[in-house]
Amino acid sequence: EAQVTQNPRYLITVTGKKLTVTCSQNMNHEYMSWYRQDPGLGLRQIYYSMNVEVTDKGDVPEGYKVSRKEKRNFPLILESPSPNQTSLYFCASSFTPLGERGAYNEQFFGPGTRLTVL
Amino acid sequence: GIQVEQSPPDLILQEGANSTLRCNFSDSVNNLQWFHQNPWGQLINLFYIPSGTKQNGRLSATTVATERYSLLYISSSQTTDSGVYFCAVPAYTQGGSEKLVFGKGTKLTVNP
Repeated sequence: EAQVTQNPRYLITVTGKKLTVTCSQNMNHEYMSWYRQDPGLGLRQIYYSMNVEVTDKGDVPEGYKVSRKEKRNFPLILESPSPNQTSLYFCASSFTPLGERGAYNEQFFGPGTRLTVL
Repeated sequence: GIQVEQSPPDLILQEGANSTLRCNFSDSVNNLQWFHQNPWGQLINLFYIPSGTKQNGRLSATTVATERYSLLYISSSQTTDSGVYFCAVPAYTQGGSEKLVFGKGTKLTVNP
């Protein structure tokens, strides 16, 4: 089944304890990205990647790191989580980058990761 | 940057009723997506619809790109249709970044 998977789905942690949220897609997609969703603020992009070893900052990258060593995986790393990173996180992927006009670039989202930082 | 506005913000229906959700966007777009966020928080793809009309069961969508709006129709609504409906369009910056810009959503409640 074609899908984007994220793990863990739920996580409660404490301030300062490094964590990684994994994201994997099995659709051979080039483009992957991370969003966070907060009440009143909507969905905001954290980082994106147009292909292997190509990553760039989105709107709210502070406090996060990413890497894209393989096409299928795009982990989100919180080196020192803080309570303001409590949020619902989504990974997304598409066959082509959004900027390729005329190309098919439907975005598919993972199931989400609910993170609470105490 | 591009602005996306959805209306109405809230909608309460009785099961079996029909509804129309609207999405206006401030600039020309290459594509547009509709999502349903279910009560468990999952974002479900409904339509990828740069222009024209598509139908999927009780749901259909129309995008009129030249007039910068899209409509999502839900017919014979069911309680499982409850949740938040988002439209989203791609945005690009001069720096080369690209992302989906989401509207604030329409919260739909379908009562039995």
